[in-house]
Amino acid sequence: EVVLTQSPGTLSLSLGERATLSCRASQRISSSYLVWYQQKPGQAPRVLIYGSSSRATGIPDRFSGSGSGTDFTLTISRLEPEDSAVYYCQQYAGVPRGTFGQGTKVEIK
Amino acid sequence: QVQLQQWGAGLLKPSETLSLTCGVFGGSFSGYYWSWIRQPPGKGLEWIGEINHSGSANYNPSLKSRVTISVDTSKNQISLKLTSVTAADTAVYYCARAALLYQIPYFIDVWGKGTTVTVSS
Repeated sequence: EVVLTQSPGTLSLSLGERATLSCRASQRISSSYLVWYQQKPGQAPRVLIYGSSSRATGIPDRFSGSGSGTDFTLTISRLEPEDSAVYYCQQYAGVPRGTFGQGTKVEIK
Repeated sequence: QVQLQQWGAGLLKPSETLSLTCGVFGGSFSGYYWSWIRQPPGKGLEWIGEINHSGSANYNPSLKSRVTISVDTSKNQISLKLTSVTAADTAVYYCARAALLYQIPYFIDVWGKGTTVTVSS
């Protein structure tokens, strides 16, 4: 069973700072099937990055994804106020497919 | 632009069966996997399962014994049934569409608004 572990649990940074979020898989997975979502309170999640590094339509270029094997990273290059949210990774490569990480909350100081 | 509209009972008693339906409007029904995902209050996302237009379904092993996801292609609808609910099944339930890469889902690109289901005696 593939388990995704996200770290840190909470990230508290100032406007304009760089945020680095980690998603570690319990076994190697294809990077084609690693996704990052953003969720704001009271809203459904929205896709930011798919295929570990491809930005979804309409997503600002300050969001980027990287990684392979078991270690994946979401980077927000310069934090904006609207980036305050919870970020989840998800994988579709392993069994069971569709599993999510537990989330990282990004707070703007 | 495709829209997903969800409906179903929002308040259940323990041991009852949760039943939700998701209608797909304005887009193709085939060529995707249709998923159910839930989120307990204040907690993270949990993938429940998925189905394609042919009826091929996959489930989260932790819920598999209680879950059935079905499809009605004549109505462009997907349904979720979860039996023997308890308070632990209290959550917002989302219907969602997953795009495919080599016939395998690889990200969710459309979400329903979510349905709040509360299990309480």
